[in-house]
Amino acid sequence: DGGITQSPKYLFRKEGQNVTLSCEQNLNHDAMYWYRQDPGQGLRLIYYSQIVNDFQKGDIAEGYSVSREKKESFPLTVTSAQKNPTAFYLCASSTAARTDTQYFGPGTRLTVL
Amino acid sequence: SQQGEEDPQALSIQEGENATMNCSYKTSINNLQWYRQNSGRGLVHLILIRSNEREKHSGRLRVTLDTSKKSSSLLITASRAADTASYFCATDLEDKLVFGAGTILRVKS
Repeated sequence: DGGITQSPKYLFRKEGQNVTLSCEQNLNHDAMYWYRQDPGQGLRLIYYSQIVNDFQKGDIAEGYSVSREKKESFPLTVTSAQKNPTAFYLCASSTAARTDTQYFGPGTRLTVL
Repeated sequence: SQQGEEDPQALSIQEGENATMNCSYKTSINNLQWYRQNSGRGLVHLILIRSNEREKHSGRLRVTLDTSKKSSSLLITASRAADTASYFCATDLEDKLVFGAGTILRVKS
């Protein structure tokens, strides 16, 4: 089956810890994205990547980092510099242009203890 | 405020009724998309309408686009309990997709 997978589904972080969220796609899409969703709000773009070994900051990149070493993978690290990381994180991919239809993973819910 | 804003914020209807959600945006667009999100899940793409299109259908979904009013509507006909979800519009702004805050639809059986 083609699609996007995210892991873990739930993640708990202690203060001062870095955590990494996984995102893998087998849709052969060039572009991948990370969004943050807070209750009652829309999605806010954290980082995006349009090709391997290249990525760009979105609207709320502070406290986050990414890598794109393989076309299929786009992991997101939430660093200790992110002061309010508790949120629902969604990964997405699209064929090329950033305004194309995006395909989303099931999400990771991160909670700070 | 955001490029795309949905209205109403929440909608509760009985099964079998039609549900209408609206999206307004501020700047000119190339396309507008609607997505659905079930509670605690990822978004699912429903339909994309281009700026030169006025109406588009997909099953029980009907989307209209009025570029003169900078607005779009999503109509779900003969709603089902399974349609209970949040619905988001997404517009292209500065070469990226911008999502509104969504409309929460509850269909009561």
